[in-house]
Amino acid sequence: DGGITQSPKYLFRKEGQNVTLSCEQNLNHDAMYWYRQDPGQGLRLIYYSQIVNDFQKGDIAEGYSVSREKKESFPLTVTSAQKNPTAFYLCASSIAQRGETQYFGPGTRLLVL
Amino acid sequence: SQQGEEDPQALSIQEGENATMNCSYKTSINNLQWYRQNSGRGLVHLILIRSNEREKHSGRLRVTLDTSKKSSSLLITASRAADTASYFCAWEGRGNNRKLIWGLGTSLAVNP
Repeated sequence: DGGITQSPKYLFRKEGQNVTLSCEQNLNHDAMYWYRQDPGQGLRLIYYSQIVNDFQKGDIAEGYSVSREKKESFPLTVTSAQKNPTAFYLCASSIAQRGETQYFGPGTRLLVL
Repeated sequence: SQQGEEDPQALSIQEGENATMNCSYKTSINNLQWYRQNSGRGLVHLILIRSNEREKHSGRLRVTLDTSKKSSSLLITASRAADTASYFCAWEGRGNNRKLIWGLGTSLAVNP
């Protein structure tokens, strides 16, 4: 089955800790995205990548970092610099970055202890 | 804010009724898309309408686009309880920045 997976489903972060959210796709898509969703809100773009070994900041990149070493994988690290990390994080992919249909993973809910 | 608006914010209807959601955006666009999100889940793509199209259908879904008013609407006909979800519009702006910009969503409750 082709698709996009995220893990874990729930993640707990302690004060001052960095945590990494996993995103993997086997759709052979070039572009991948990380979004943050807060309650009752739309999606806000954190980072996106159009091709392996390249990525760009989105609208709310501060306190986050990413890597794109493989086409299939786009992990997101929430650093201790992100002071309000509690949110629902969604990973998506698309064939190209040009506003094409995006396919979403099931999401990771990050909670702060 | 680049984000447009969706209205209503919340909609509650009975099974069998039609549901209409509206989306307004602020820039010239290449296309506009509608997505559905069930509670606590990822988003699922429903339909894409390009800027040179005025109406598109997919099953019980009908989407219209009025570029002169910078608005779009999503109509779900003969609604079912399984249609209960949040619905988001997203658009690709023209120019060098071709990221999708997202609306704030409409929460639809279809009561059996």
